[in-house]
Amino acid sequence: EAEVAQSPRYKITEKSQAVAFWCDPISGHATLYWYRQILGQGPELLVQFQDESVVDDSQLPKDRFSAERLKGVDSTLKIQPAELGDSAMYLCASSSEPTTLKNIQYFGAGTRLSVL
Amino acid sequence: GESVGLHLPTLSVQEGDNSIINCAYSNSASDYFIWYKQESGKGPQFIIDIRSNMDKRQGQRVTVLLNKTVKHLSLQIAATQPGDSAVYFCAERTQGGSEKLVFGKGTKLTVNP
Repeated sequence: EAEVAQSPRYKITEKSQAVAFWCDPISGHATLYWYRQILGQGPELLVQFQDESVVDDSQLPKDRFSAERLKGVDSTLKIQPAELGDSAMYLCASSSEPTTLKNIQYFGAGTRLSVL
Repeated sequence: GESVGLHLPTLSVQEGDNSIINCAYSNSASDYFIWYKQESGKGPQFIIDIRSNMDKRQGQRVTVLLNKTVKHLSLQIAATQPGDSAVYFCAERTQGGSEKLVFGKGTKLTVNP
């Protein structure tokens, strides 16, 4: 069964350092999402890509976060500099072309970030 | 604004019982709803979805009910098993906007053997 791959699974860093997360969506999925999930809460969308283009980054803290999907396949989410409040699970999801009828997003296992 | 919430943060049931997990949403313009299951240390896993033109949809041991009058969504799990223990999230999508899903805070289901 095809899965969304994410790495690393865990990342510990000190504040003010740079961190990067990688995501490989399910093959053929044009839409890719990055979410942040704080412990005990639901995922919150950070950025959405359609192929290589950003279609929604309204919740992405652009002063320190950046995301790219250069070839429209895999994607990288970067934080620089990391702050204590960035400690969370970072989830990647992908979907085939969302339609007016459905939008099933398939999630990876996530990267658990701890900022010390 | 968009808001999805859950009535109960935790639910404990006996193995074999039926479980009902509830979700309230505030945006009457939402046209699509989806339930996810998240086990500890894993990403959310799709369970079942429903469009706003439907009242009920059934899957394998799961049923989703949508009451648009009171803006309420529920997930029913039949013959709950220990493997069903997880956090369950509902999410909504608002018609006319982006394809963004807005997630609620989740309900933790514990199944006692």
